[in-house]
Amino acid sequence: GEDVEQSLFLSVREGDSSVINCTYTDSSSTYLYWYKQEPGAGLQLLTYIFSNMDMKQDQRLTVLLNKKDKHLSLRIADTQTGDSAIYFCAEIYNQGGKLIFGQGTELSVKP
Amino acid sequence: NAGVMQNPRHLVRRRGQEARLRCSPMKGHSHVYWYRQLPEEGLKFMVYLQKENIIDESGMPKERFSAEFPKEGPSILRIQQVVRGDSAAYFCASSPLTRGTDTQYFGPGTRLTVL
Repeated sequence: GEDVEQSLFLSVREGDSSVINCTYTDSSSTYLYWYKQEPGAGLQLLTYIFSNMDMKQDQRLTVLLNKKDKHLSLRIADTQTGDSAIYFCAEIYNQGGKLIFGQGTELSVKP
Repeated sequence: NAGVMQNPRHLVRRRGQEARLRCSPMKGHSHVYWYRQLPEEGLKFMVYLQKENIIDESGMPKERFSAEFPKEGPSILRIQQVVRGDSAAYFCASSPLTRGTDTQYFGPGTRLTVL
């Protein structure tokens, strides 16, 4: 089936770490993605991870993948107010090109 | 290298009119995807096109919606006889190669409002 689940809201204080979680269903997904959407804007690709990897780090971003549990997380270190946005995880469905998105997690960073 | 271009950015239509949304992929990209984002929801896949071919239209509503990606010019998403429920943000994405391992880059979206 096609289903990606995310929690809807996360609130953190500036300087703390944020962890956004995602579960997916398609075990054949080859790539999993994190996108960021600011109000009124399009989607900005943040990072992605290949399914044979457990972890990927890119500056303040760390992606963890637990393929057994079909669980993906995005950790943002030293979260800033500019990180406030909606974060979407997405999987490639059945290697067929289309992305299946979660509902998005709204991250609110308080000073 | 310009990103994915979409126009118009905002479109207002009255019920029963037609809406045409345009998408120019990134240079060198020959694959285009359309997604719809309803208010307070995530993005839902609509259609995947290559030049002159529809590859996957499993997310397209059966009626009133059509898409094309001609040999020359932008991809067009066409909505005939719009209804209020069509109000949404429509995003286009492009990628360079065929299979799903290729990252999709998104345009800024067209926000359609149906009065």
